[in-house]
Amino acid sequence: KAGVTQTPRYLIKTRGQQVTLSCSPISGHRSVSWYQQTPGQGLQFLFEYFSETQRNKGNFPGRFSGRQFSNSRSEMNVSTLELGDSALYLCASSPSIGDTQYFGPGTRLTVL
Amino acid sequence: QKEVEQNSGPLSVPEGAIASLNCTYSDRVSQSFFWYRQYSGKSPELIMSIYSNGDKEDGRFTAQLNKASQYVSLLIRDSQPSDSATYLCAVNRASNSGYALNFGKGTSLLVTP
Repeated sequence: KAGVTQTPRYLIKTRGQQVTLSCSPISGHRSVSWYQQTPGQGLQFLFEYFSETQRNKGNFPGRFSGRQFSNSRSEMNVSTLELGDSALYLCASSPSIGDTQYFGPGTRLTVL
Repeated sequence: QKEVEQNSGPLSVPEGAIASLNCTYSDRVSQSFFWYRQYSGKSPELIMSIYSNGDKEDGRFTAQLNKASQYVSLLIRDSQPSDSATYLCAVNRASNSGYALNFGKGTSLLVTP
């Protein structure tokens, strides 16, 4: 089975811009979660989607949003980028909510 | 109090030795626990999951869970230089609406030849 894929792998943006990241889960997996990883804060939960519905959300500002499509693929969007948004954004998929999560390779976002 | 705590290390062990990685968590209702390995510049890779008190073995890896003490550990037997990585402890926390994996900040392991 193919693993979780994320595109793009690297992004460079400037402050104030917005960005959209994409995640394709493992075939058959219906739950997708997003995480932000920074050296200072570690891995932090952003949100979880299942059946096209956001089921849970972490403690991030409203500039961070996401959605899930009927084929379980997911996108996350960050608007009005700030320097502190520079991070590795990781997507993880699982068969269903609460199941073991498998991570994609991540998208490295740099905000200048 | 942080929800999931790990010693940041680095933990240095000689090749062939047993590496012991520890993790404590604060949410008593947590039900599932995971260890991920992350090499520098890569994404986390699942090593073990554990749900019940006691030990769970998979090859050179043994996960131990003690819910009464809110403690999870990972033992790596016959450590190899290729085991050098950051090990992340994750605890699945349930809320009214869903689940979220809470991660510790990881323990850096260095296996020296």
